[in-house]
Amino acid sequence: AQTVTQSQPEMSVQEAETVTLSCTYDTSESDYYLFWYKQPPSRQMILVIRQEAYKQQNATENRFSVNFQKAAKSFSLKISDSQLGDAAMYFCAYSGEKLVFGKGTKLTVNP
Amino acid sequence: EADIYQTPRYLVIGTGKKITLECSQTMGHDKMYWYQQDPGMELHLIHYSYGVNSTEKGDLSSESTVSRIRTEHFPLTLESARPSHTSQYLCASSENHRPSLAAETQYFGPGTRLLVL
Repeated sequence: AQTVTQSQPEMSVQEAETVTLSCTYDTSESDYYLFWYKQPPSRQMILVIRQEAYKQQNATENRFSVNFQKAAKSFSLKISDSQLGDAAMYFCAYSGEKLVFGKGTKLTVNP
Repeated sequence: EADIYQTPRYLVIGTGKKITLECSQTMGHDKMYWYQQDPGMELHLIHYSYGVNSTEKGDLSSESTVSRIRTEHFPLTLESARPSHTSQYLCASSENHRPSLAAETQYFGPGTRLLVL
């Protein structure tokens, strides 16, 4: 069975600084997708960024980028120029047959 | 935000009551999901559907049931609520062009916070 591990239960960052959230996963599949989802307090879960495993190029969405290391089964999220609105729970997710979520990382942004 | 809706947003109910959590999406997505999430914790898949008349149990055993009579509607029912059912329930949907993979982006509803007394 696939597993997703987020080793940082909580992280904090100063506004305008950069923070990296880590995620590792375990799978024997070769074709899959990886996602980072953001869940602000009492608000809707939304997609931050998505990576197809067959693509070597790291996905980027504005201030959000990933470092995808397929051989190491690592999928970290980098948030540049952190903003107060980035404060949320961040979930890494693996998509093979089903979507499997990590336990989440709570990100605090300090003004 | 995605066009996926859940009602009610909050529900406080007594033990033994029957409840139905509603989920609707206007995106025409084939695949829909129900997740259970305790506050600040990971999501656990409890039900999913590939399309009309299709329902499957997820990874986390749940006493709830679901139905999929219409593409846009995926209600979840608890016949007899118990305090152990207290949690947040998230509904999601995806296009799923590739039937063997949950590869498509899942769009989530706002969730229903259920408290069973």
